[in-house]
Order: sequence, then structure tokens, then C-alpha cells
Amino acid sequence: DQQVKQNSPSLSVQEGRISILNCDYTNSMFDYFLWYKKYPAEGPTFLISISSIKDKNEDGRFTVFLNKSAKHLSLHIVPSQPGDSAVYFCAASGGANSKLTFGKGITLSVRP
Amino acid sequence: GAVVSQHPSRVICKSGTSVKIECRSLDFQATTMFWYRQFPKKSLMLMATSNEGSKATYEQGVEKDKFLINHASLTLSTLTVTSAHPEDSSFYICSAWRTSGQETQYFGPGTRLLVL
Repeated sequence: DQQVKQNSPSLSVQEGRISILNCDYTNSMFDYFLWYKKYPAEGPTFLISISSIKDKNEDGRFTVFLNKSAKHLSLHIVPSQPGDSAVYFCAASGGANSKLTFGKGITLSVRP
Repeated sequence: GAVVSQHPSRVICKSGTSVKIECRSLDFQATTMFWYRQFPKKSLMLMATSNEGSKATYEQGVEKDKFLINHASLTLSTLTVTSAHPEDSSFYICSAWRTSGQETQYFGPGTRLLVL
């Protein structure tokens, strides 16, 4: 049973527009959520995280929203840039030093 | 800059030999590190949790005698692929939790292993 789901395998947006990447989870014990960006043959790069005590965290062009009642989080990238094109993984954990549970990832393509 | 490093970045070895991969946290101490394996076009697969000063915890289906993990210090964990075979060829990635400041798990750049 997949505990972290990224239901859309891909997303294509125009440069300058907003990219919204969605993620759902089923395990209510998760209390820390992270987003990573990944290129082929490289390790994931940390983007932004959010604790379950918050519903929003913002860092530059990246904002993560958490809806605990819906067990849903989303990553907003505004404005999207061609360099944002990559695979994005949503991950969840039960806290620091706990293992991460990853979604399957979504491939974002930003068109110039 | 990189906060978790891996060495080597690429390694080619003959079948039957052992290969050691190092994972270092560069500017923080990590009591817990993780080892992942990535198959082509697949998400990361957690292999084991490396605990400083104690035995690693392996995920179901991962052979602990095949993939030896040693977390000798708070900044270094090693993964040794013993008696490597071609099916062990893969991309191995480590990660470490940084619990000082913003708690985040950082990943290394990965090690590409090719067993001939």
C-alpha cells in the first residue's frame, strides 16, 4: 500500500506561470513533509519542508501548503523557470531521524 | 554547497569483488544515515538505516550479509557491496538527517556502480 502518492506522473507549464505539484498521504503518523528535486544520475536536492504544526511554508519561489484534514500537500513554484524542469518527489516522515517515505515523483517540464 | 558527500562517484568492478562506498556529512553530525538504491525510471528504494554506534536496520528483502553497513562516526557511514554481481549494478544514494537548525534530510550525489 502506497502511503505517499503523487498521482500525476507529469506536468507541463509555461515559463512564468505557476506550477502546482500535488501529494497525498495516508499515514496520519507522518508529521514532517519534504519536497525534493531530482535530475537523472544525481541525488535528490532538498527544496522545502513543512512540519505538521504549520499549514504553509515559503522560501523564495517555492511554497508548500499542508492540509492535514485532507492529508494533502502541494508545492507551488512561482514563477516557473525552464531550469525547474526535473522530477519532483514528495516525502514524509514521522520526525527527525526517521526514514522517509517517498512518492513516485512527478516530472515537471517548464516550456520557454 | 553540498552538505553530504559520497565517494566514489562512479566505480566499475569485476564480478566477485567487494566495493566500498563512503557517505560523509560535511558540516553536521548525523546519528542516522540512510542508504538507497535507485533502479532505472523508479523511485528511490530504501535499503537500510545506518545508526552510529549500533547495527544497521535493513529493509525487508535486503540481504544484510550482501550489503554491509558501518556507521563508524557521526560523520561517516560506509556501504560495502560484497561479492558483487552484475545485478548489483545500480545507483546508490545515501542521506543524512541534519537536526541542528532546520531539520532536513540531505542526500549525497550518488554512486554509480557497474559490475562486469
